Amino acid sequence: KAGVTQTPRYLIKTRGQQVTLSCSPISGHRSVSWYQQTPGQGLQFLFEYFSETQRNKGNFPGRFSGRQFSNSRSEMNVSTLELGDSALYLCASSFQSFNEKLFFGSGTQLSVL
Amino acid sequence: SQKIEQNSEALNIQEGKTATLTCNYTNYSPAYLQWYRQDPGRGPVFLLLIRENEKEKRKERLKVTFDTTLKQSLFHITASQPADSATYLCALDQGSASKIIFGSGTRLSIRP
Repeated sequence: KAGVTQTPRYLIKTRGQQVTLSCSPISGHRSVSWYQQTPGQGLQFLFEYFSETQRNKGNFPGRFSGRQFSNSRSEMNVSTLELGDSALYLCASSFQSFNEKLFFGSGTQLSVL
Repeated sequence: SQKIEQNSEALNIQEGKTATLTCNYTNYSPAYLQWYRQDPGRGPVFLLLIRENEKEKRKERLKVTFDTTLKQSLFHITASQPADSATYLCALDQGSASKIIFGSGTRLSIRP
């Protein structure tokens, strides 16, 4: 079974731009959740999608948004990028419950200049 | 709100010894607690989940305990090997289905 796939692996953007990250979950997994990981703040939950609906949300500003398609693939968008958005963005999938036994992708390393 | 503390940023031990990592939490006891391993530049990998009514869980050389009185979980790796070197994260829920929080991790180094 293929694992969670995230693209692109690396991304460099400048302040004010927007970015879209993609995540393909493990086949059969309906829950996709997104996380931001930085050295200072650690791994923080952004949001979770299940059956194309946002089911749970962390404490991030509205510049961070996402969506899920009917095939469970998910995208995350960050608008008006700030320097502080530089981070490793991780996607995880799970069969039913987003906060149990998560399978993570390798992440997208975003650098904002 | 719930807080997690992994009280060792880094742990260095000799190969063959048992590594013990600690995860402490505040406030209420979570329904379950999880441990993940993360290698540099990669996403975390799920290792073990222990529920509040379980005292101990084992998987090969790994053992997790959960003490709701002490509000603490211990993660043990027996007969440690250099390949076990990684950052280990604990994670728990915030009392509802809506949030999950991760500890800051303990970087484990096993020297030959």
